[in-house]
Amino acid sequence: QKEVEQNSGPLSVPEGAIASLNCTYSDRVSQSFFWYRQYSGKSPELIMSIYSNGDKEDGRFTAQLNKASQYVSLLIRDSQPSDSATYLCAVQSWGYNKLIFGAGTRLAVHP
Amino acid sequence: DGGITQSPKYLFRKEGQNVTLSCEQNLNHDAMYWYRQDPGQGLRLIYYSQIVNDFQKGDIAEGYSVSREKKESFPLTVTSAQKNPTAFYLCASSPGTSGRNTGELFFGEGSRLTVL
Repeated sequence: QKEVEQNSGPLSVPEGAIASLNCTYSDRVSQSFFWYRQYSGKSPELIMSIYSNGDKEDGRFTAQLNKASQYVSLLIRDSQPSDSATYLCAVQSWGYNKLIFGAGTRLAVHP
Repeated sequence: DGGITQSPKYLFRKEGQNVTLSCEQNLNHDAMYWYRQDPGQGLRLIYYSQIVNDFQKGDIAEGYSVSREKKESFPLTVTSAQKNPTAFYLCASSPGTSGRNTGELFFGEGSRLTVL
């Protein structure tokens, strides 16, 4: 059974701080990794994808992937109250055309 | 404006009734998916389709049925056989049917089903 694990939170950070969200996965042949943001009562939206080891930056967001440790993270710099949401980690394995989602980490950014 | 339209947004059903949730996309995507989300849980895959007239069961297909007669449409029927149907249902599409971009999902706004 492929699994994706996230700390449910809430992760509470002050405005302007760096929020660090973590995700581990069990399937060693996982190839593609995604972060989705979901506001309360809304549908998820894709914010980052990462496929190779290392860092990938997009604006205030940085995704980090370490396949040896089976670990992917999302850093949000200069956190804003509008970043308060649940962040879902999703993993796709080679030749397996489906995503496995984690349960999500709830982030709360307070002024 | 391209996107995915789900209807209805809210639906109430009595036990024993079948209900059908609509999902239409104008993104010209080949792949479409149905997910279920329960409070505090991640998304669980019900059914997916990579091409017209073909679909596959996901992880929790029991009590659900789908059809894919047109590329744009992928309706989900929640049957009376589904033991605990109250949930938030999400339809999604992706531009590819294999490789990396199958993970880049575009979601509709969701349908919230409550069984009375």
